[in-house]
Amino acid sequence: NAGVTQTPKFQVLKTGQSMTLQCAQDMNHEYMSWYRQDPGMGLRLIHYSVGAGITDQGEVPNGYNVSRSTTEDFPLRLLSAAPSQTSVYFCASRGTMNTEAFFGQGTRLTVV
Amino acid sequence: DAKTTQPTSMDCAEGRAANLPCNHSTISGNEYVYWYRQIHSQGPQYIIHGLKNNETNEMASLIITEDRKSSTLILPHATLRDTAVYYCIVRKVSGTYKYIFGTGTRLKVLA
Repeated sequence: NAGVTQTPKFQVLKTGQSMTLQCAQDMNHEYMSWYRQDPGMGLRLIHYSVGAGITDQGEVPNGYNVSRSTTEDFPLRLLSAAPSQTSVYFCASRGTMNTEAFFGQGTRLTVV
Repeated sequence: DAKTTQPTSMDCAEGRAANLPCNHSTISGNEYVYWYRQIHSQGPQYIIHGLKNNETNEMASLIITEDRKSSTLILPHATLRDTAVYYCIVRKVSGTYKYIFGTGTRLKVLA
C-alpha cells in the first residue's frame, strides 16, 4: 500500500495563479482532510470530508476549495494564490471513528 | 473539542525516558487523547491514543490521570531519532472528523 500520496512535493506560484494540490489514498478511508502548517506553528485544518460527495470547512477555509468525487481522491484547489498561502500542506486520511490518521509527506508551496 | 496545553520544548538524554506532559482540563467523557509526532518537516505520525485507561504499544506508553484532566506520553528509552515535535490532541469519540493541533512540544534528545 502506498498510503497517502501528495503531489507535487514542491511548487512555486505567482500571485493570482491557480493550482490544485492532489491527495490520494489507497486504504479505502472514509475521512480525508487538508491542513496547512506555517513556520513554527502547528497544523491548522482547512477542509475535511467524511465521505464521497460530503465536504465541510475547517479552521482556515478561505481561499481554498475542495471536492470529493471518489473515496480515493481529495484535491485542494487554490483559485487565486496569495503570498499568505505560502505554507506546507498536509493531507490526511482515516478509516473508522477511532483509528489513527495517516498523513502524506506534504506539499511545500511558495507564492511569490 | 477540548483544548490542550503542552510545554514548548524539552530536552532528554539519549537512553533515558522522555516524559511529555499534556494538560486537557476541559476534556469531556467522550473525548480521546491522541499523541502524534512530527519529525523534521515530515507528515505527522501517530503514536498512541487512549480514553481513560493507561495504554502501551511498541512506541510509547500513555498515562492518563484518574480525573482525565492531564496525561503523560512516555518514550521509555529515547534515541536521537525521537527528536521531534510531539502533539497532544483531544477529540470526540463520535461526530465529525477533526484533529485540532496545537503547537506541540519540541523534544530534543541529546547524545
